[in-house]
Amino acid sequence: GAVVSQHPSRVICKSGTSVKIECRSLDFQATTMFWYRQFPKKSLMLMATSNEGSKATYEQGVEKDKFLINHASLTLSTLTVTSAHPEDSSFYICSAPDSNYNYGYTFGSGTRLTVV
Amino acid sequence: GEDVEQSLFLSVREGDSSVINCTYTDSSSTYLYWYKQEPGAGLQLLTYIFSNMDMKQDQRLTVLLNKKDKHLSLRIADTQTGDSAIYFCAESPPMFSGGYNKLIFGAGTRLAVHP
Repeated sequence: GAVVSQHPSRVICKSGTSVKIECRSLDFQATTMFWYRQFPKKSLMLMATSNEGSKATYEQGVEKDKFLINHASLTLSTLTVTSAHPEDSSFYICSAPDSNYNYGYTFGSGTRLTVV
Repeated sequence: GEDVEQSLFLSVREGDSSVINCTYTDSSSTYLYWYKQEPGAGLQLLTYIFSNMDMKQDQRLTVLLNKKDKHLSLRIADTQTGDSAIYFCAESPPMFSGGYNKLIFGAGTRLAVHP
């Protein structure tokens, strides 16, 4: 089946620095990538939708300048958390529609971000 | 509005059946999904059901859909300790402008399987 490879799986950074999270579709082309954020014991909240070759669509309340999304190719989408603060600490997960849409979406393994 | 609700916790004995329930609000949702999340991991698609179906069975998993009540359930037969995880119900409302639409997730049901 389709695989989305997400890296890093875990990252600790200092306040004020930026962190980049990558999601690659390994055996299919992902024209769309969804980026979610998950708080402890909570559901997934959609942050933004990236489309290859165009600007990302952000959900209401998500700061575009803080969470930079780039979808430069059909196999790579990145999320950069800029000037990170402790409140940005969370679990971030990407997801892409499977090439066979009927089978739902394929998720990356997630990135645990801790800002100290 | 968009809202998917699930009970937060379920505890079962190993070997028993587990039933996880979910209610959704968008009657136009085309597909409904069940995902499994193990600690520190991403989401794994367990099964899905198309909105014109009432039931779908896949090995130990049985999905029941009551479209009138907007109720979805996941039954796991012969529950094992390896089934302990968080189970998310999700709906996929249609996107009339074309393209792929986001999934709307419930809060997740934490399944604990004990001996």
